[in-house]
Amino acid sequence: GAGVSQSPRYKVAKRGQDVALRCDPISGHVSLFWYQQALGQGPEFLTYFQNEAQLDKSGLPSDRFFAERPEGSVSTLKIQRTQQEDSAVYLCASSSRGANTGELFFGEGSRLTVL
Amino acid sequence: EDQVTQSPEALRLQEGESSSLNCSYTVSGLRGLFWYRQDPGKGPEFLFTLYSAGEEKEKERLKATLTKKESFLHITAPKPEDSATYLCAVQGPGNNRKLIWGLGTSLAVNP
Repeated sequence: GAGVSQSPRYKVAKRGQDVALRCDPISGHVSLFWYQQALGQGPEFLTYFQNEAQLDKSGLPSDRFFAERPEGSVSTLKIQRTQQEDSAVYLCASSSRGANTGELFFGEGSRLTVL
Repeated sequence: EDQVTQSPEALRLQEGESSSLNCSYTVSGLRGLFWYRQDPGKGPEFLFTLYSAGEEKEKERLKATLTKKESFLHITAPKPEDSATYLCAVQGPGNNRKLIWGLGTSLAVNP
């Protein structure tokens, strides 16, 4: 596609429910990132993939958070047993091979609200 | 600890009134400093990369500069469509691919 596509754009979950957020990066982009952005804050790094390999997951806040990119394209961020503190916008970003990985193309984000 | 601080938190300008946004950072071995623009309900949009002190980049009414401790985003004769939150991020040394972000400066340009 023309840009990074994320779905759903909005998700309301009851506390304790599991959620799955999808990211479809720009075609051919090998690097894929997930960031979490709370209201009024800058993005916080969650995890990084190069193709299908998850090279850095140091930002995942707990073992309830899990990300995968099995075929090196679409990625899914899964949050199990959601808590109110998980409410945030989850941003996916991609970049091309050889590009400085600070030059990212972001999707519009998935806004998660946990009640 | 690596840290990015942006100031002011919010800035209101009249159309045509030039100003500057500040991004100060503490990181050992800076690999790059990045400016992004974020509109409400959207993801950040990449603007500039700066690598070394003294470097400058320009795009339309925006110019970014870098020193050893801070970066400035200069906005010349802004227009209402420049209204957005401007985010600064830094990348540390080695294979660390994560960016450390500031909280942003919310800019409003009144017609």
